[in-house]
Amino acid sequence: DAGVIQSPRHEVTEMGQEVTLRCKPISGHDYLFWYRQTMMRGLELLIYFNNNVPIDDSGMPEDRFSAKMPNASFSTLKIQPSEPRDSAVYFCASSRNSRVGYTFGSGTRLTVV
Amino acid sequence: KNEVEQSPQNLTAQEGEFITINCSYSVGISALHWLQQHPGGGIVSLFMLSSGKKKHGRLIATINIQEKHSSLHITASHPRDSAVYICAVRQGGSEKLVFGKGTKLTVNP
Repeated sequence: DAGVIQSPRHEVTEMGQEVTLRCKPISGHDYLFWYRQTMMRGLELLIYFNNNVPIDDSGMPEDRFSAKMPNASFSTLKIQPSEPRDSAVYFCASSRNSRVGYTFGSGTRLTVV
Repeated sequence: KNEVEQSPQNLTAQEGEFITINCSYSVGISALHWLQQHPGGGIVSLFMLSSGKKKHGRLIATINIQEKHSSLHITASHPRDSAVYICAVRQGGSEKLVFGKGTKLTVNP
């Protein structure tokens, strides 16, 4: 298995633009998580899905952020409009169930200028 | 006060030394995770614990539920162990992880 695949690896965009981050989880994993990592706040959970259904989105910063999982093999995290404070590394992770660990993607480094 | 506290924040060791990283938490949990993040940024899940002790190679993780404390030990440390080690807890009834700020370990040859 190729692991959790995220794209793009790096994204530089101007303030106000829409940004879409993509994630392909490991086949057979029922849980998908989106995390954000910054120097100030460390790692934070944004949202997670179980069987493609959003379960907890309490970590989503504000209405500018939205996440979808249209099927078991694909998820997106969208920021519209982007702001410089959204600059961070965004990780996607997947898990088969709550009894096992997580597999993380390589992350997307987002820079909003 | 953070729900998950790690110590030390930074740790420098000489190759071969025994390393201990500590994690304390203030909430009831269903599981505790130890993660490793290498300088390149990738995150690897090392252990998931709900009780007792787990060992994988030179890494050992322990947890004391009553004291709300976990330790990660590295025996015979090596420069390739240099990374940030992150403790995270999962509260009962949720898959949400709450993370510590991480411990940056540098092992010098």
